[in-house]
Amino acid sequence: DIQLTQSPSFLSASVGDRVTITCRASQGISSYLAWFQQKPGKAPKLLIYAASTLQSGVPSRFSGSGSGTEFTLTVSSLQPEDFATYYCQQINSYPLTFGGGTKVETK
Amino acid sequence: EVQLVESGGGLVQPGGSLRLSCAASGFTLSDHYMDWVRQAPGKGLEWVGRSRNNAQSYTTEYAASVKGRFTISRDDSQNSLYLQMNSLKTEDTAVYYCAVVGARSYMDVWGKGTTVTVSS
Repeated sequence: DIQLTQSPSFLSASVGDRVTITCRASQGISSYLAWFQQKPGKAPKLLIYAASTLQSGVPSRFSGSGSGTEFTLTVSSLQPEDFATYYCQQINSYPLTFGGGTKVETK
Repeated sequence: EVQLVESGGGLVQPGGSLRLSCAASGFTLSDHYMDWVRQAPGKGLEWVGRSRNNAQSYTTEYAASVKGRFTISRDDSQNSLYLQMNSLKTEDTAVYYCAVVGARSYMDVWGKGTTVTVSS
């Protein structure tokens, strides 16, 4: 199984900050990676797919990069509605797996 | 508008069974792969399984943690997806989400989830 390790697990930030979250895969997954945002009590929302493609309707302050085993999600200027938990997910091979999550909290 | 509505969750004793439903609207279920994903209380997301589309003969994949106990099926006439869960364990307690796999092969629309509690 492909393990996805996210770092950090928790991140304290302020509105306007640039935030970067890393996702490392235990083996190469090309660009078969997605990023999801989840708010408490809500379903996950797809932000980015194929490592760097912004899902329709997602603000351009979100961006993704990477390929192979190392990936990043960046929020260029954190907004109040961005405080949430973020997950990476690989679709390179079964079983599909998610990272452990990164909770972005208010500093 | 694409919508998914899960139902069928509830309280069940260990060893029991439960069948979850996912009612789809706004798209043709048979054309799409569909996934089940769960989230235990206070924990992260765990992929449960996948049902491929009509063109792929509705074949399925499962996580090792549920293989042999859970079965994904569909009723295209009802535009519904199902998750039959047998031999339930306390560690199956979670919110269960269904999701549509879009044209780019990613889960791009999710339902709101249904809660399953396995406890004596």
